[in-house]
Formats: sequence, structure tokens, C-alpha cells
Amino acid sequence: NAGVTQTPKFQVLKTGQSMTLQCAQDMNHNSMYWYRQDPGMGLRLIYYSASEGTTDKGEVPNGYNVSRLNKREFSLRLESAAPSQTSVYFCASSENGGEANVLTFGAGSRLTVL
Amino acid sequence: DQQVKQNSPSLSVQEGRISILNCDYTNSMFDYFLWYKKYPAEGPTFLISISSIKDKNEDGRFTVFLNKSAKHLSLHIVPSQPGDSAVYFCAASSRLYRDDKIIFGKGTRLHILP
Repeated sequence: NAGVTQTPKFQVLKTGQSMTLQCAQDMNHNSMYWYRQDPGMGLRLIYYSASEGTTDKGEVPNGYNVSRLNKREFSLRLESAAPSQTSVYFCASSENGGEANVLTFGAGSRLTVL
Repeated sequence: DQQVKQNSPSLSVQEGRISILNCDYTNSMFDYFLWYKKYPAEGPTFLISISSIKDKNEDGRFTVFLNKSAKHLSLHIVPSQPGDSAVYFCAASSRLYRDDKIIFGKGTRLHILP
């Protein structure tokens, strides 16, 4: 019963390097999300996907791209990493229906950009 | 422009007493509100939610109150236990948003004192 799995858990990049954070969920959820958590800033939505084949910008999309590869997988790409992107990244998914849109989160990916 | 505000970054409460965490929102389109709990090095986990058609929802030691006219909600934990020490995030969403976007506050760190 894995839920939401994120890889890698830790990554150190140099400024200008690129990388992709991977996320997969096994709950047959329709919606998937990428958040970043910074000290004193809470959880801020980067991008989300309400269904397979669709993606939309959240609050802080600049510097990121996403791909909803299929219903299970939602990746986040940093094309040219900057120190301001040092953060903990959380992937989440939800059923996208029902009385409350409850998110299930992954364990997080800690990214440091030097 | 912060749509969901948690104005207390931290709160210390004696074990056994009541913990009250507050949250304010500005967007009157929000109609579902959720509380998440987060331990260090883990992803947030869903705690309790409330629909805008209700003013109270209980689940064991946790109760959420909603005051729509004041655009304010609060989470009560009674009695507080050591395992309740964590960061608590308030979140809001609107089914009127086509995309089911969920907006989080900055979080309140709760310390339960022995």
C-alpha cells in the first residue's frame, strides 16, 4: 500500500543544472499536485493536474515544468536550477470528487541548489 | 496576496489542556476547509475537514469550527497529547473552481509541553 511515491528523496544541484522529480500514485486518483515548502511560507502550489492530459499553473510556477505522463505519474522538471529553488517538494494526489478534496502526500524530496 | 492565513507561527500548550489553532481566509468562494498535520521529514497527513454548510465537525479529540461571516475557522484539540506536537496547516478549496485547487496557509507549529 504505497500511496504516493516520490523520487529522489534528496538531491544537490549546481546552479544551471536540470533535473526531474518523479511522482507516482497507486490509488487511481484523478488529480495530482506539486507543492513546495519553504520556512515561514507554508505549502505553495507549483502546478497541478486535474485529470490525465491536463496541467495548470498554481501560485509559483516560474522556473518549473510538469508532465502528466499517465494517470499514475506526474513529474516536475527544473530546466535550469536556481538557488531560490532550494526547497522541500511534495507531490500529492486526490480523488477529485466527493465531499472533501482530501490530498494524500508523498514523503517529500529535499532539493538543494548551490 | 495570502488567501489563507495562519497568523500564529507557533503555539505551546500544556499536555492535557486544550489546543486552539486559528485560520482566516479572504476568498468567499472557498467552501471546503481542511486541516493537515505534518511531522518533520514526513509529508502532511489529512486530519479533519469541514464543509461551508456546517459550522462544526468533530472527530475524536479534534473539532473544527467554522464562522463563515468572519471567514474564520479554528481547530480544537482536547485533550492535547505529546504526539500532537507537529506543524498544522489550514487549507481551503472551492468546488466552484474547475480545477479543485487547494490553497494552504503557512502553518502553525504546536508544542505540547509535559
